[in-house]
Amino acid sequence: QVQLVQSGAEVKKPGASVMVSCKASGYTFTSYDINWVRQATGQGLEWMGWMNPNSGNTGYAQKFQGRVTMTRNTSISTAYMELSSLRSEDTAVYYCARESTVTTQGFDPWGQGTLVTVSS
Amino acid sequence: DIVMTQTPLSLSVTPGQPASISCKSSQSLLHSDGKTYLYWYLQKPGQSPQLLIYEVSSRFSGVPDRFSGSGSGTDFTLKISRVEAEDVGVYYCMQGKHSITFGQGTRLEIK
Repeated sequence: QVQLVQSGAEVKKPGASVMVSCKASGYTFTSYDINWVRQATGQGLEWMGWMNPNSGNTGYAQKFQGRVTMTRNTSISTAYMELSSLRSEDTAVYYCARESTVTTQGFDPWGQGTLVTVSS
Repeated sequence: DIVMTQTPLSLSVTPGQPASISCKSSQSLLHSDGKTYLYWYLQKPGQSPQLLIYEVSSRFSGVPDRFSGSGSGTDFTLKISRVEAEDVGVYYCMQGKHSITFGQGTRLEIK
C-alpha cells in the first residue's frame, strides 16, 4: 500500500539545524509532489512548502524562505526537509504529505509525523 | 496570504444529529482554470490529518457519504448528515489557490 514513513523524533538546541526524512513506498516516488506541513503542540496546521521529486523543483512558504530546504534521493525514494536556525517556536510535529492522485493540492497520504523539540 | 476563518471553533453533537462547519476565505478561491481549490481534512485524535473533501464538494476515496461539502467564492461549508462517534477530531479547511493556508480548525466532540 502507499505509505510515507518518517524519521524519528529529534531534540535540537536553538540555532541548530534539523533534517527530517520521509520514505515513500507503494508508488512511483517521482510521480507526485511531496509537501511538508507542521503542527505545534495543540495548534493548527501550517504548510511549509513542496518539492517535485522528479525535477527537484521546490516552492517554500514565505515564512520559511531562507531557512528551509527540501531535497530528495530518488534512488531510495526518500524526501528530506531541513530547517535551520532553529528557535523554540519551531518545536512541532512535522508531516510529509503526498499530492493525491485526484487533485494536485489535496494531500494523501500523510506520514506519521516527526516531533522536533527545540530546547536549550 | 489568503486567510481562512472557520466557525465554530468547537461543537458538541449528539450521535445521529447533523453538524455543520463554516469556512470563509479572505479572497475568492475560484481559479482562472475554473476550479475552486478548497479542501477539508479531519485529524482524528493522535493521528495524521486525512483528506475528506477536495475542490469544494468531491468526496475523497473511502469517505462516507454522510460527509458533504458545498459553497463557492469565499464561503464554504462542511456538513455531516448524521454524526457518528468515529467523526470525533479536528476539522480543517485548506485553500490551494495561492500558496496553501489552513483554517484554525474546528474541534468536534460527541455529547
